[in-house]
Amino acid sequence: AQSVSQHNHHVILSEAASLELGCNYSYGGTVNLFWYVQYPGQHLQLLLKYFSGDPLVKGIKGFEAEFIKSKFSFNLRKPSVQWSDTAEYFCAVIGGNTDKLIFGTGTRLQVFP
Amino acid sequence: DTAVSQTPKYLVTQMGNDKSIKCEQNLGHDTMYWYKQDSKKFLKIMFSYNNKELIINETVPNRFSPKSPDKAHLNLHINSLELGDSAVYFCASSTPGQLNTEAFFGQGTRLTVV
Repeated sequence: AQSVSQHNHHVILSEAASLELGCNYSYGGTVNLFWYVQYPGQHLQLLLKYFSGDPLVKGIKGFEAEFIKSKFSFNLRKPSVQWSDTAEYFCAVIGGNTDKLIFGTGTRLQVFP
Repeated sequence: DTAVSQTPKYLVTQMGNDKSIKCEQNLGHDTMYWYKQDSKKFLKIMFSYNNKELIINETVPNRFSPKSPDKAHLNLHINSLELGDSAVYFCASSTPGQLNTEAFFGQGTRLTVV
């Protein structure tokens, strides 16, 4: 069965600090990978996604993620965070032959000015 | 143009009542989902429908009954509401397997059972 792990539950940073949020998945076949963001009181919005091709994908708002197949990882990065990046971040995966979009437990990011 | 819309946005009700949440998507997607987000922000998949057919039914009490009259709608009916049902419920849609597809989420329905 597919699963997703996010090891950072709560991250606190100052503005301009660099960010890396870990995501590991468990699925033996082809996967589609996503990072979603949920700003306070809002619904989930897609940050970026990986389907195939270049394993380094760039998303909105300066975020990027790197798919490392050998490590079953899809970590999210941003070189310099802003206060407005304060939100919950969810990694998600769909296994190649399933319709099941599974989320990790989420990482709460707080950025202080 | 709202892609995935849920109603109501807020729902406060007493224990034991029966309530429904509606979801509609205008994206032409084949698959629709219901997720429950608890107070710790955990997002757990509850159901998934593909072209009106139930394809995923996680371990959810049978008080929860999804209904999909057509592929653009997936409603969630909850019988005999309990305090533990309080959460935010998100509807989503996608067409998995297609290139460049992603799941689009509704605004959520905050259910409070008192």
